[in-house]
Amino acid sequence: GESVGLHLPTLSVQEGDNSIINCAYSNSASDYFIWYKQESGKGPQFIIDIRSNMDKRQGQRVTVLLNKTVKHLSLQIAATQPGDSAVYFCAENIGGGGADGLTFGKGTHLIIQP
Amino acid sequence: GAVVSQHPSRVICKSGTSVKIECRSLDFQATTMFWYRQFPKQSLMLMATSNEGSKATYEQGVEKDKFLINHASLTLSTLTVTSAHPEDSSFYICSARAGQGTANYGYTFGSGTRLTVV
Repeated sequence: GESVGLHLPTLSVQEGDNSIINCAYSNSASDYFIWYKQESGKGPQFIIDIRSNMDKRQGQRVTVLLNKTVKHLSLQIAATQPGDSAVYFCAENIGGGGADGLTFGKGTHLIIQP
Repeated sequence: GAVVSQHPSRVICKSGTSVKIECRSLDFQATTMFWYRQFPKQSLMLMATSNEGSKATYEQGVEKDKFLINHASLTLSTLTVTSAHPEDSSFYICSARAGQGTANYGYTFGSGTRLTVV
C-alpha cells in the first residue's frame, strides 16, 4: 500500500482469512527483494525473499509475487493468525544482495481481527 | 541461524551528551554492517554502510561527524551519536551480513535501540 502523510496504511483481516500486502518499488535496477515483519519495538524479521529472475516464491504460509513490468511486489499470507499482526515492509537491493544496504518501502500495518 | 545482538535496547540521555550503540554478529563474521534510523510510524532509512577496517559510507543528508561509526572487527560495529539533541531521538537499527559465498549472506537485523534525548 501507499502511505498517506506519516501514517502507515492499515490492512485489517479476520483470523483465518488470507491477506495480501502490496508494495510498489521505484528502482528498475533493483534485483533482490525481501519482505520483513516488524513487531512494535523490535528489529525487522526476515519473512521471504525473491530475486528478479523469478516472479513467484513460496514459503510456509507465505507467497511473494514479483511483477517487474509494473515494479510491484506482493506478500500473501495464508490463514492468518493473531501472531501475524505487525508492520510489514518490502525492501529492495541492487546487485542481488551486494554491498549496498536495503531501501525499505513505506510499510503496511496488518491487524488480525479475532 | 545468524544472530545480531544490539545493545542497549533503550537509552535516555541528556541533550549535548554522546551515546554509543553496539552491534555484534554472534555466530558469523560480518564483513559489512549497516545502520538504519526509524522514526515513529515510518520506514527504516539507511544511514550508513560500514565495512570492517575501512571508513563508513554515509547516505546523503547524514552527518558523518555527528554519527560516528566504527567497524574495527568482523563481529562488532558501533554507532556513536555525538552531541545528541531531541531531534536525534529515534529507533536505531543495525544490520549485518557475512561475506559473499558464506552461508549467512542475508541481511540480519538487530533488535534496535530506542534513543530518547531529553
